[in-house]
Amino acid sequence: KAGVTQTPRYLIKTRGQQVTLSCSPISGHRSVSWYQQTPGQGLQFLFEYFSETQRNKGNFPGRFSGRQFSNSRSEMNVSTLELGDSALYLCASSNRQGTYEQYFGPGTRLTVT
Amino acid sequence: AQSVTQPDIHITVSEGASLELRCNYSYGATPYLFWYVQSPGQGLQLLLKYFSGDTLVQGIKGFEAEFKRSQSSFNLRKPSVHWSDAAEYFCAVGASNQGGKLIFGQGTELSVKP
Repeated sequence: KAGVTQTPRYLIKTRGQQVTLSCSPISGHRSVSWYQQTPGQGLQFLFEYFSETQRNKGNFPGRFSGRQFSNSRSEMNVSTLELGDSALYLCASSNRQGTYEQYFGPGTRLTVT
Repeated sequence: AQSVTQPDIHITVSEGASLELRCNYSYGATPYLFWYVQSPGQGLQLLLKYFSGDTLVQGIKGFEAEFKRSQSSFNLRKPSVHWSDAAEYFCAVGASNQGGKLIFGQGTELSVKP
């Protein structure tokens, strides 16, 4: 089975711009969660989508949004980028049944200049 | 508030020596507990998980962890460390009523001396 894929792997944006990151879950997994990883704050939960519905949300401003498509692929959008949004954005997929274990993709490294 | 604490930011062990990484959690519900490993520039790989039952769980790459409810701990162990184990290790906690939300510790960076 193919793992979780994320595109692009690296991205450089300018402050004020917006960005869209993409995540394709493991085949058969219907839950996609997003995390932000920074040296200062560590790994922080952004949101979870299941069956195209946001099921859970972390403590991030409204500039961070996401969506999920009928094929379970998910996108995450950040508008009006700030320097502090520079981070590794990780996507994880789960079948959201039983054990809820999550499998992570390689991440998208976003640099905001 | 829910939290996960990994007291050791950085640990150095000699190759072949045993390893124990500490993890303490604070969680109201019965938690699901996980250990992940991250190599530089990579995503997180699941090492092992605890949901219920036997409190000693076995994972991949020769790792094991023991859940101790009375101490709110879930320490990761390996009897003999290999140079390839050098990486960052994260403890995480979740719950069935939290769905896909995991709370992570700050991580422990492991260095291995030859």
